[in-house]
Amino acid sequence: NAGVTQTPKFRVLKTGQSMTLLCAQDMNHEYMYWYRQDPGMGLRLIHYSVGEGTTAKGEVPDGYNVSRLKKQNFLLGLESAAPSQTSVYFCASRDRAYNEQFFGPGTRLTVL
Amino acid sequence: KQEVTQIPAALSVPEGENLVLNCSFTDSAIYNLQWFRQDPGKGLTSLLLIQSSQREQTSGRLNASLDKSSGRSTLYIAASQPGDSATYLCAVLALSGGYNKLIFGAGTRLAVHP
Repeated sequence: NAGVTQTPKFRVLKTGQSMTLLCAQDMNHEYMYWYRQDPGMGLRLIHYSVGEGTTAKGEVPDGYNVSRLKKQNFLLGLESAAPSQTSVYFCASRDRAYNEQFFGPGTRLTVL
Repeated sequence: KQEVTQIPAALSVPEGENLVLNCSFTDSAIYNLQWFRQDPGKGLTSLLLIQSSQREQTSGRLNASLDKSSGRSTLYIAASQPGDSATYLCAVLALSGGYNKLIFGAGTRLAVHP
């Protein structure tokens, strides 16, 4: 049982490049989330999903897109990276019954 | 609007001391409260989850209490160790902005020195 995993762990992009962050969970959780964590700003919700095939915007969705084609995977895409998207990105999942949220180890992204 | 506050922002204690971290929230309409630990450069590890109908939860040297009516939770750490040094975050699961979300405090940065 690996819990929540994220790929990659680190990435450096140039402004304008695109990339996809992958989150996978093996706990059969319905809900999945993408957060970013910045110094002094705490954790902010980017997008979330309440089930396979559904996604919704969180607090700071601009510049990001997501997809949940399979229940266990939640992808976060940056179409045209900007320096303001330099951050640590965390994925999380939550079960419907007990409502405990579990986080992945994070992806450290730098946009030059 | 739900807001979560953690006091103190930072704490430094000698090894072996018992300590209390505080968390307060402004709206008692929560589903649960969760305490997390975050080590530098790492993800969040769930420590304890208290459902809104519960008063406390215990795991090893950790004990968390919840007083929903007063909007407070405390995390008690017994016999602290240097390995407990980390940032501790509390978060409430509540309806906000039209959906259920975790609302985080800013955290308490704990340093336990030998």
